Amino acid sequence: AQSVSQHNHHVILSEAASLELGCNYSYGGTVNLFWYVQYPGQHLQLLLKYFSGDPLVKGIKGFEAEFIKSKFSFNLRKPSVQWSDTAEYFCAVTSPSGNTGKLIFGQGTTLQVKP
Amino acid sequence: ETGVTQTPRHLVMGMTNKKSLKCEQHLGHNAMYWYKQSAKKPLELMFVYNFKEQTENNSVPSRFSPECPNSSHLFLHLHTLQPEDSALYLCASSQGSTGNYGYTFGSGTRLTVV
Repeated sequence: AQSVSQHNHHVILSEAASLELGCNYSYGGTVNLFWYVQYPGQHLQLLLKYFSGDPLVKGIKGFEAEFIKSKFSFNLRKPSVQWSDTAEYFCAVTSPSGNTGKLIFGQGTTLQVKP
Repeated sequence: ETGVTQTPRHLVMGMTNKKSLKCEQHLGHNAMYWYKQSAKKPLELMFVYNFKEQTENNSVPSRFSPECPNSSHLFLHLHTLQPEDSALYLCASSQGSTGNYGYTFGSGTRLTVV
């Protein structure tokens, strides 16, 4: 069965620090990959997605992620975080073939940015 | 607003009560989903509906009963819940069911079972 693993459960950074959140998935076939963000008290929002093509994907608010197929990874990065990036971040994967295309989520990473 | 509206935002219910959660989308999407979000756990997919037909029940206890009368509305009927069912229940919709479009989520219903 597909699964998604996010290595960091809680990350604390100071403003202007660089961010990298790890995400690994277990599925050998073609996948679509997503990062969602949930700001305190708000709904889940799509940050970025990868379907095919350039493995370096740019998203909103200066976020980017790199798909490394050989490592089954899709790590999220941001060169310089802001206090407003404090949120919970979820990696998710789906397969475009078969099983209803359901999104499988990782357990999430809580990012706390100190001003 | 995301285009996916969930009501109520908060719900407190006793273990013997019956209540329903409502989800509505006007995005023209044809697939709708219920997820359960508990602290320290991955989002758990509960049910999938595609063109009003249930295509997945992820081993959810029968005290949770979904209903999808049309492609724009999705309900989750609750009865005789347990305290461990307390969680944030999220509704989502997508344009297709193949996973190619990502989901649009509602803000969720925070459920507390007492």
